[in-house]
Amino acid sequence: EPEVTQTPSHQVTQMGQEVILRCVPISNHLYFYWYRQILGQKVEFLVSFYNNEISEKSEIFDDQFSVERPDGSNFTLKIRSTKLEDSAMYFCASSGGSYNEQFFGPGTRLTVL
Amino acid sequence: GNSVTQMEGPVTLSEEAFLTINCTYTATGYPSLFWYVQYPGEGLQLLLKATKADDKGSNKGFEATYRKETTSFHLEKGSVQVSDSAVYFCALPENQGGKLIFGQGTELSVKP
Repeated sequence: EPEVTQTPSHQVTQMGQEVILRCVPISNHLYFYWYRQILGQKVEFLVSFYNNEISEKSEIFDDQFSVERPDGSNFTLKIRSTKLEDSAMYFCASSGGSYNEQFFGPGTRLTVL
Repeated sequence: GNSVTQMEGPVTLSEEAFLTINCTYTATGYPSLFWYVQYPGEGLQLLLKATKADDKGSNKGFEATYRKETTSFHLEKGSVQVSDSAVYFCALPENQGGKLIFGQGTELSVKP
């Protein structure tokens, strides 16, 4: 069964450093998303991506964040200068578009020290 | 915009007990509705879905019925197991192809 994969599973970084979180969505999907979950809290939407551009972003997704689909398979989230409050689980998701069923990856736990 | 409200947890049950986790929503139109589950230390998995009013989604003994009269999508299971211990999230899309709006999650703990 096709699945969304994410790497790394856990990333530890120093405050101010850049991180890139990687995702491989399901191959025939058209919509791509990033969400985050701060420990013990709600799952929050960050950004959606369709047709090679951002279709929607939340207030959290400020200038420190960017997304890219550098080739036909990968979908990345970059945080330019990490802050302590960026520590969270980051989930990538993809969807075929109809009925909005989104398939989530296992997540990357980001720890900013 | 669309929104979803879940009953607060944690919910603690004994094995074989009946489970209900309430979820109500507000939405424009009739979007699909979802329950996702997050087992300890893992990511989000789609548990079940319903795509139109009166649909019943079911999976692994869990069921939820899309009720437009009461704008609800309550999750039920007749007999829970220890392995059902997880956090359950009700969710709906904000718009076609758009972000999912999640409830705050309900933690379920099942004791032997």
